[in-house]
Amino acid sequence: EDQVTQSPEALRLQEGESSSLNCSYTVSGLRGLFWYRQDPGKGPEFLFTLYSAGEEKEKERLKATLTKKESFLHITAPKPEDSATYLCAVREYSSASKIIFGSGTRLSIRP
Amino acid sequence: EAGVTQFPSHSVIEKGQTVTLRCDPISGHDNLYWYRRVMGKEIKFLLHFVKESKQDESGMPNNRFLAERTGGTYSTLKVQPAELEDSGVYFCASGRTGGETQYFGPGTRLLVL
Repeated sequence: EDQVTQSPEALRLQEGESSSLNCSYTVSGLRGLFWYRQDPGKGPEFLFTLYSAGEEKEKERLKATLTKKESFLHITAPKPEDSATYLCAVREYSSASKIIFGSGTRLSIRP
Repeated sequence: EAGVTQFPSHSVIEKGQTVTLRCDPISGHDNLYWYRRVMGKEIKFLLHFVKESKQDESGMPNNRFLAERTGGTYSTLKVQPAELEDSGVYFCASGRTGGETQYFGPGTRLLVL
C-alpha cells in the first residue's frame, strides 16, 4: 500500500537555527513528490514538485531534495514567518488523479 | 491570476440535513479535484474531474456524496443526508492539463451536529 510518512511531527527552532524535515515514501513508481505549506485555517500552498532522485529545488530559505526513498525539506536560517505545517505528498505512476498526503510537520520558529 | 475559491468557508448543519459545497478552479484548469481531512487524519482524495467528466471517484466514501461539474467550470459537492462523521475540512484543487501540480483552495469547514 502506498504510504507517506513525515518526521518529526513537530519541530521548534530558534530563529536562524537551520534544520531539515523528512518525508519517507513507498510507492510502486513515483510520478511526482510535492511539498506544500499550510497555515492555520488555510489551504495547502504549493512549494515544490520533484520528479526524480537527485533533483533539488530552492525557494528563498527552503530547499527540497529527493532520493529513491525519501525527500528532505531543508530550512536555512528560518524566520518566525516560516512557522507553518509542511505537507509532503506523492503521486504514483499508475494514478492519473490522486496524490497521497503525509500527516505533516508542524514547524514553529521562535524569535 | 485568481486562485481556487471555495464557498462557503464554514458550514454548520444538523445530522440528516443537506449541504452543498462549491469550488471555482483557476481559470483554464481542466482538472479539478476534491479532497477532505477529517479530524486528526491526513488529507484524503475524494475524486477527480477532467472538464465535466469524472476521471476517478475511487475516494468517495459512499453514495451520500454527489459531485458535479456541469460545463466543466465550477464544481459542487453535495452531502445528503449528512452524518456526524462527515465533519471535516473539504478542499478543492485544480491543475492544468498535462501538469502534475495541484493548486488548493482555502477549504470549507463542515461541522455536522
